Amino acid sequence: EVQLEESGGRLVQPGESLRLSCVASGFSFSNYAMSWVRQAPGEGLEWVSTISSTAATTYDAVSVRGRFTVSRDNSKNSLYLQMNSLRAEDTAIYFCAKTTASSGYSSRYDYWGQGTLVTVSS
Amino acid sequence: QSVLTQPPSASGTPGQRVTISCSGSRSNIAGNSVNWYQQVPGTAPKLLIYGNNQRPSGVPDRFSGSKSGTSASLAISGLQSDDEAVYYCASWDDSLNGPQFGGGTKLSVL
Repeated sequence: EVQLEESGGRLVQPGESLRLSCVASGFSFSNYAMSWVRQAPGEGLEWVSTISSTAATTYDAVSVRGRFTVSRDNSKNSLYLQMNSLRAEDTAIYFCAKTTASSGYSSRYDYWGQGTLVTVSS
Repeated sequence: QSVLTQPPSASGTPGQRVTISCSGSRSNIAGNSVNWYQQVPGTAPKLLIYGNNQRPSGVPDRFSGSKSGTSASLAISGLQSDDEAVYYCASWDDSLNGPQFGGGTKLSVL
């Protein structure tokens, strides 16, 4: 059974940093690109970042470029999102999602975690 | 503001057929496949349709997808009360160099 479990979300102040983690199980993690997708309270889905299976390629949304960094450790079946210079508008549930391709060139996510809540507020 | 445009709401009565549209452009839908997701409030999204018109294992054939040019549609036939959810289209955007989601359509079963 495929499982994705996010962690690391909490209340932080504007300008602070936070690192989210996602541990995967039930599939060959190193074969698939992975993404972070977020959802602000009461809003729709917003893609954040994608990393290819080998970590050779990353893609970032304009809204987080230069502030967020996606990474992975295939030896630990883990995906990470380092978030710096956090803003109030980054407040959202952050989902970890598995693509069906290795390259990351995809909008097809066949498995999602339950999400972790990040709140940015003073 | 999403580059993929969906109506904010749709509704139907049990047994009816409803369609949800997703309008894009040459940089996304026209040249890339469309996927649809269903999200029940408080839960994670679920892949409903992939590759424009393919259903993952376990998704009833009441759900179908289509694409033409720069637009795509999701059709739900034999509407049921547990189809109440928010539906999102998604497609890769070559200009933005990333996947994009539509704004979501909240489906109500009256």
